[in-house]
Amino acid sequence: EVQLVESGGGLVQPGGSLRLSCAASGFTVSSNYMSWVRQAPGKGLEWVSVIYSGGSTYYADSVKGRFTISRDNSKNTLYLQMNSLRAEDTAVYYCARDVRTAMGNWFDPWGQGTLVTVSS
Amino acid sequence: DIQMTQSPSSLSASVGDRVTITCRASQSISSYLNWYQQKPGKAPKLLIYAASSLQSGVPSRFSGSGSGTDFTLTISSLQPEDFATYYCQQSYSTLVAFGQGTKLEIK
Repeated sequence: EVQLVESGGGLVQPGGSLRLSCAASGFTVSSNYMSWVRQAPGKGLEWVSVIYSGGSTYYADSVKGRFTISRDNSKNTLYLQMNSLRAEDTAVYYCARDVRTAMGNWFDPWGQGTLVTVSS
Repeated sequence: DIQMTQSPSSLSASVGDRVTITCRASQSISSYLNWYQQKPGKAPKLLIYAASSLQSGVPSRFSGSGSGTDFTLTISSLQPEDFATYYCQQSYSTLVAFGQGTKLEIK
């Protein structure tokens, strides 16, 4: 079964750091594009970052320079290192397989999400 | 950046109704449009990809159409489990964008 399980969320003070993990099963992270998508409380979905199978990375302007996406092939796990956190980064963070085809790209499956709260 | 606008933002309907949700892109995105369903406290679930292709396992009462800038998601006969929030997502540009969501509620 294809599955993603996030961990690492929690309460952090403004300016602090946190690393999220996303463990995959049923497929190989390094052979796929993988993305992080977040959702602030009561709000819509916001794409955050992607890592290509070849290793290239891209970020939303809102997190560029503060967040870093990476993966550990030996652990089949995706990460999101979040530094200089702000109150507006408070959200549920989802990892998702970013399926790429000639017809475009879509997210499937998604993890269950992990809540990050930035507050003093 | 490409902006995605959904309408309506919320919608009340009854079981058995036919429902249509619209998504408009700020520029042409060909057929690079996907639809997701999200229930409270759960992750989004892919329903439709490439504007009109039904994801495996999704009931056939869901359908998508459109190209260019205007797209629709149609539910032919609402079932109780369909009451949720629906999002469109464009993949035309590298910087992916979602619509703001349409909350479908029971009348």
